[in-house]
Amino acid sequence: QKEVEQNSGPLSVPEGAIASLNCTYSDRGSQSFFWYRQYSGKSPELIMFIYSNGDKEDGRFTAQLNKASQYVSLLIRDSQPSDSATYLCAVRRSNDYKLSFGAGTTVTVRA
Amino acid sequence: EAQVTQNPRYLITVTGKKLTVTCSQNMNHEYMSWYRQDPGLGLRQIYYSMNVEVTDKGDVPEGYKVSRKEKRNFPLILESPSPNQTSLYFCASSFRGIDEQYFGPGTRLTVT
Repeated sequence: QKEVEQNSGPLSVPEGAIASLNCTYSDRGSQSFFWYRQYSGKSPELIMFIYSNGDKEDGRFTAQLNKASQYVSLLIRDSQPSDSATYLCAVRRSNDYKLSFGAGTTVTVRA
Repeated sequence: EAQVTQNPRYLITVTGKKLTVTCSQNMNHEYMSWYRQDPGLGLRQIYYSMNVEVTDKGDVPEGYKVSRKEKRNFPLILESPSPNQTSLYFCASSFRGIDEQYFGPGTRLTVT
């Protein structure tokens, strides 16, 4: 079982819609959860992090964490063509300073 | 400008020829890390460093070496590269621990 799994996608959404991205992780003791965005040919950039159960909102982005279900999600509201990218879920595992990434979900926002 | 730099950006080499990919950050970050990115596998951590002279293995350290003699630099060394090390490599840094990581532009390595 992979440590971090994401929907493989690609995910195509119309402009203005909500894009919903899912991520599950295997280490129940995982502490910190990150969403990175990576445009084609570019390096990843952090868009959200979440440490506690519940929702965290930042502009059009909402991260949701459910540690009991070992599940973290990212919602992108009012999707824009500029949101077209690959979204990487990353998890800091318990008791160390390693970071595990999912394979990423590619999102395409069609105008 | 705050940034992480990597050199070279592109490298084609032959099996067994030792190479070093440099990584430097100007943000006084304590934590630095190397990742490789392969299609379908995502980013995988090779090595990380919590501070000067403190390094530890990530998930795929075989065939790689690192050193952290200065806070700003974290070179990745491939003593005897093999074709399975053909990949896109990213260096990243963060202020302390696994915090917001800033990634370098990437180094595309091809080993023939």
